[in-house]
Amino acid sequence: DADVTQTPRNRITKTGKRIMLECSQTKGHDRMYWYRQDPGLGLRLIYYSFDVKDINKGEISDGYSVSRQAQAKFSLSLESAIPNQTALYFCATSPTRDSTGELFFGEGSRLTVL
Amino acid sequence: RKEVEQDPGPFNVPEGATVAFNCTYSNSASQSFFWYRQDCRKEPKLLMSVYSSGNEDGRFTAQLNRASQYISLLIRDSKLSDSATYLCVVNEYSTLTFGKGTMLLVSP
Repeated sequence: DADVTQTPRNRITKTGKRIMLECSQTKGHDRMYWYRQDPGLGLRLIYYSFDVKDINKGEISDGYSVSRQAQAKFSLSLESAIPNQTALYFCATSPTRDSTGELFFGEGSRLTVL
Repeated sequence: RKEVEQDPGPFNVPEGATVAFNCTYSNSASQSFFWYRQDCRKEPKLLMSVYSSGNEDGRFTAQLNRASQYISLLIRDSKLSDSATYLCVVNEYSTLTFGKGTMLLVSP
């Protein structure tokens, strides 16, 4: 079983719908992240959390919100999806407060907004 | 935006070739540096860290030049299985900034 699990793996939805992407981890890591990846634009940070009470905006947080319900869970919400949010979304974790750079990624959630 | 720049490629090389990728970063306060590998439609995975003194892991050598703000990755004796996208990654104040990646295609 994967240490970082994302659900759903694929989702097609319509403009204006609310979407939630969920991430759970069994690695016991404090830090969790949401990235999106678009062709030609690379990975961009949406939100990150260093513990349950900590939420931080990343580079491209507009149109997204997150919830860190427990150490092991970090969910990403799109309140009203729009087509330019079509992308591959990755959840990631890292083990320590002073991250040395190894992120452990989930397998990704491919979202298509029509 | 913090910038990490890479040549997108693709670099097309035959098996056995040596290939080098470079990456430049804009923030002189960046603290640590990495190369990640990403296979098509898969998640990125850490390939190696990059140290000021240079470091080697088998066929892979990474180097950092802080004065010029660039990072390099050298792959010797390329294998078919090395075909992937290589992401340059910079750690700035506890978050990672990814380059857009360089695609490598190794052919028989």
